[in-house]
Amino acid sequence: DAMVIQNPRYQVTQFGKPVTLSCSQTLNHNVMYWYQQKSSQAPKLLFHYYDKDFNNEADTPDNFQSRRPNTSFCFLDIRSPGLGDAAMYLCATSRDVQVGGYTFGSGTRLTVV
Amino acid sequence: LAKTTQPISMDSYEGQEVNITCSHNNIATNDYITWYQQFPSQGPRFIIQGYKTKVTNEVASLFIPADRKSSTLSLPRVSLSDTAVYYCLVGDMKITGGGNKLTFGTGTQLKVEL
Repeated sequence: DAMVIQNPRYQVTQFGKPVTLSCSQTLNHNVMYWYQQKSSQAPKLLFHYYDKDFNNEADTPDNFQSRRPNTSFCFLDIRSPGLGDAAMYLCATSRDVQVGGYTFGSGTRLTVV
Repeated sequence: LAKTTQPISMDSYEGQEVNITCSHNNIATNDYITWYQQFPSQGPRFIIQGYKTKVTNEVASLFIPADRKSSTLSLPRVSLSDTAVYYCLVGDMKITGGGNKLTFGTGTQLKVEL
């Protein structure tokens, strides 16, 4: 029944080694979001795709990139992870009219060593 | 984007009704109010959404006064499993291009005890 699936659930990467997190959806929603959530903090929006249009938040570091090759998949690339990038990364989807709000995945917990 | 203010934490006991109030003084005409629940190490989960007056579903009620500058999430007869963080978000229902994204506030940590 999982509708927004994030893989892997846990990811350990080395300092400075590129890492990619993936998100897939079966809802056919046209908007996909990536949020970063650090311990005891609220989720912080990094960027979102409205169909194929990429929308970056002004304060999202250049170290974070995203790709959306088709409606179902979206990837978060961290080019050179630092210790401060350790966090839960949440993918969410919505229609362009947000009836019923966002649907979130279970998240990927990233550890940087 | 309308900024929201919620209590940082609330404590309750099993079986009680819990009301969490959110202030959103600069809510815009087209903005809706949406509440999410988040358990540790999980993504937020949609609870309820409304524009004005009262909305009720199988898990909660949402009360919105006429001026819409605040809203109250009501959880009837809470149980231990309702211990979670609750977020109030305010934003336009329709997403257009790069705008109208929902921004999370600090949320309310609800702790339910026996």
